[in-house]
This record gives sequence, structure tokens and C-alpha cells, in this order.
Amino acid sequence: AQSVTQLGSHVSVSEGALVLLRCNYSSSVPPYLFWYVQYPNQGLQLLLKYTTGATLVKGINGFEAEFKKSETSFHLTKPSAHMSDAAEYFCALNQAGTALIFGKGTTLSVSS
Amino acid sequence: KAGVTQTPRYLIKTRGQQVTLSCSPISGHRSVSWYQQTPGQGLQFLFEYFSETQRNKGNFPGRFSGRQFSNSRSEMNVSTLELGDSALYLCASSLTSGSTGELFFGEGSRLTVL
Repeated sequence: AQSVTQLGSHVSVSEGALVLLRCNYSSSVPPYLFWYVQYPNQGLQLLLKYTTGATLVKGINGFEAEFKKSETSFHLTKPSAHMSDAAEYFCALNQAGTALIFGKGTTLSVSS
Repeated sequence: KAGVTQTPRYLIKTRGQQVTLSCSPISGHRSVSWYQQTPGQGLQFLFEYFSETQRNKGNFPGRFSGRQFSNSRSEMNVSTLELGDSALYLCASSLTSGSTGELFFGEGSRLTVL
């Protein structure tokens, strides 16, 4: 069965520090992988996605993620956090045209 | 280009009542998916409609139902409401079925069941 595990329900960083949000997945076949962000009282917005090809994926707002098949991971990073990055982040996977399966989410707090 | 529009944004119901939520997808998008978001369970898939046909269904009881109209607008209905149905219900649209592409989410309908 497919599943997504996000390690750490809450991550706190200082402004300018590295952001690392962890995501591991379980899938019987190579999945499509996504990161979404949700700001308070809003819907989800796609940050980036991995389908095939290059394993390092660049997204919006300076975020990127690397697909590592051997580690079944798809961690999200950003070199320098900004106050506006404070939000909830969701990792998700999809295979064979089925519905997106989401992780439980990680709340990112950024302090000045 | 208008985004995904969900109505109503907020509503309060009592146990045993029923509720209908509406979703208007982005123009040209033919797939509409519904998700339930709660603090405890996170985001859970309800169902997906494409060209008026239900393509995928999540693991929810039959009290949860949906439909899609010829203009791609979608509604979901929850009958005999329970306290545990209190949640944010998110609608998402996409060009194609199966979520291999990007999902565009609305801001959600927040349902409170008393």
C-alpha cells in the first residue's frame, strides 16, 4: 500500500537558516511526488513535483526537493528561510493515476 | 483566470442534518476532487469526478456522496451529519483525471457540526 510519512509535525528555524522538511514514502512502483504548501485559511498550493527525469526538482519561492529512490525520500529544502515561509507543508504521492495521498503535514515556524 | 471557488466558506449544522457543498473548478478543468482535512486525520481523499463520472473513491461511508455537472461544477453532500464530520472540505480541480498533474485547490468550506 502507498503511504507518505513526514518526519516532524513541527519545525522551527530562524530567518536566514536552512529549511529541511523530511518526507519518506512507500510505494510498490515509482510514484509521482509532490510538495504542497498551505497558508492559514487558504487552500493548498503546489510548490514542486517529481514525475520522471532529473531527481533534483526546483519549485517556487526558492524551494527544491531531491528524489532519492534508494532512501525512498523526497525531502524539501530551502537555503535561507524567510518569515513568509511560515506555513504548513504537505508531501504527497500518486501512482498509476490514483488519487493523491498526503502526509500528515509539517508546520514550519520562522523566527526573526 | 479565476481560481477554484467553493461555497459556502463557513457553515454550522447540527447532528442529523445534511449539507451540500459546491465547487466551481478553473475554467477548462474537467476533473474535480474532494478532500476532507481534520487536525487528527490530515487530508483524506473523498472522491474524484471527471466528465460527470466518478473515477476514484476514498474510504468514506455512503453518507458522503458527490456529483459533477456538465459544466464541470461539482457538489458534495453529507447526510445524517455526525460530530466527527466537522472539518475543512477542500475541492481541487485539474485538467486531467488521476492527479498526475497539478491540483489546484480552493480555499475550502469549513463545516462545524454541533
